[in-house]
Amino acid sequence: AQSVSQHNHHVILSEAASLELGCNYSYGGTVNLFWYVQYPGQHLQLLLKYFSGDPLVKGIKGFEAEFIKSKFSFNLRKPSVQWSDTAEYFCAVNGAGNTDKLIFGTGTRLQVFP
Amino acid sequence: EPEVTQTPSHQVTQMGQEVILRCVPISNHLYFYWYRQILGQKVEFLVSFYNNEISEKSEIFDDQFSVERPDGSNFTLKIRSTKLEDSAMYFCASSDIVSGELFFGEGSRLTVL
Repeated sequence: AQSVSQHNHHVILSEAASLELGCNYSYGGTVNLFWYVQYPGQHLQLLLKYFSGDPLVKGIKGFEAEFIKSKFSFNLRKPSVQWSDTAEYFCAVNGAGNTDKLIFGTGTRLQVFP
Repeated sequence: EPEVTQTPSHQVTQMGQEVILRCVPISNHLYFYWYRQILGQKVEFLVSFYNNEISEKSEIFDDQFSVERPDGSNFTLKIRSTKLEDSAMYFCASSDIVSGELFFGEGSRLTVL
């Protein structure tokens, strides 16, 4: 079955700490991978995406993610978080090369304290 | 930059009432989607729509739900008789035929009393 797992449900960090949010997926075939962010009271915004090529992708606001095909993983990282990164982060997957629906993980709530 | 727009941003309704949520997808996109997010939970797929018909729907999308594209620009989600558990944020999304990337609207918050 197609699914996305985010094992960290709630992460609490101090400013300047490093961040890594885990994402594992189960999907038959080649995939597109996404990380979306949802700031409090706002809509989903795309942070970064992987379609093909370099498995290390860089997104907005200093975020990056690495696709490791052998581990079916697409972990999100940021070397130094800021208070403004407090938000919900969702990993998502769909089938490459088509317009399959996105399957979302359960989300990780990140709280950053000054 | 083109964007997906949704109206209303917030609707409060009584249980049993009909609700229509509206979306204007990005103009050259051909695939349209509705997702919902119950407060504190994950984003769930409801339905996808292409070429004026439903291409896929989830088990959540029962007979109380319907979608249509009445005029070539709007894409609507209708809930025929709302239930308390329909209270959620409903997100519309659209994508083009090539990239597979979905662009989301800002959402319509539905509160059923």
